[in-house]
Amino acid sequence: QSVLTQPPSASGTPGQRVTISCSGSSSNIGIYAVSWYQQLPGTAPKLLIYSNNQRPSGVPDRFSGSKSATSASLAISGLQSEDEADYYCAAWDDSLNGVVFGGGTKLTVL
Amino acid sequence: EVRLAQSGAEVKKPWESLKISCKTSGYSFTTYWIGWVRQMPGKGLEWMGIIYPGDSDTRYSPSFQGQVTISADKSISTAYLQWSSLQASDTAMYYCARLSVVVFPTNPNLYYFDSWGQGTLVTVSS
Repeated sequence: QSVLTQPPSASGTPGQRVTISCSGSSSNIGIYAVSWYQQLPGTAPKLLIYSNNQRPSGVPDRFSGSKSATSASLAISGLQSEDEADYYCAAWDDSLNGVVFGGGTKLTVL
Repeated sequence: EVRLAQSGAEVKKPWESLKISCKTSGYSFTTYWIGWVRQMPGKGLEWMGIIYPGDSDTRYSPSFQGQVTISADKSISTAYLQWSSLQASDTAMYYCARLSVVVFPTNPNLYYFDSWGQGTLVTVSS
């Protein structure tokens, strides 16, 4: 049981916009910024979004993030086949005094 | 370029000990936290703990406290994760990752893993 809650799966067709939610609590997302990670099949996770909505250099602007209260969302517009991956949200947690992850969402491009 | 290069895959028997490594380059090793993350087969990411190589301050997730030891060697910019007695349930992929921490005077700190190692697969089987 992960501290942050994500839907286990999401899907969309090429060109569509999909969103993935991440629900937390007052000890994590309610205080701290959220980061998102993309894990392509068979590879290590990669930072996709940090500070709720900031993209590292090299991440396409099709990826965007937002946060409100104790929840966050990742949006992917103009969906492409290469976006098929697992996506994880994460945040610092004061109760744990460490990082908590969501359970991950498997995105399928139909 | 920031790089985290992990040691190779390991196959061990139950009750054996193991130490895996994460050699870093391209940045000041002593000024960033390094974390370890477990991913069991077909499962999600789990934070195990972090270490600040500058002063060896180490924090563990309650789920892993007492089960593993995290350490670092400043002289060779390398972090380690070790077990004294492996179990089959330790079979997993283990990632090291650099934790960026931005401190603000009046706002909560900002935390995120900005660079990851390629992973070390640990298989424990009799």
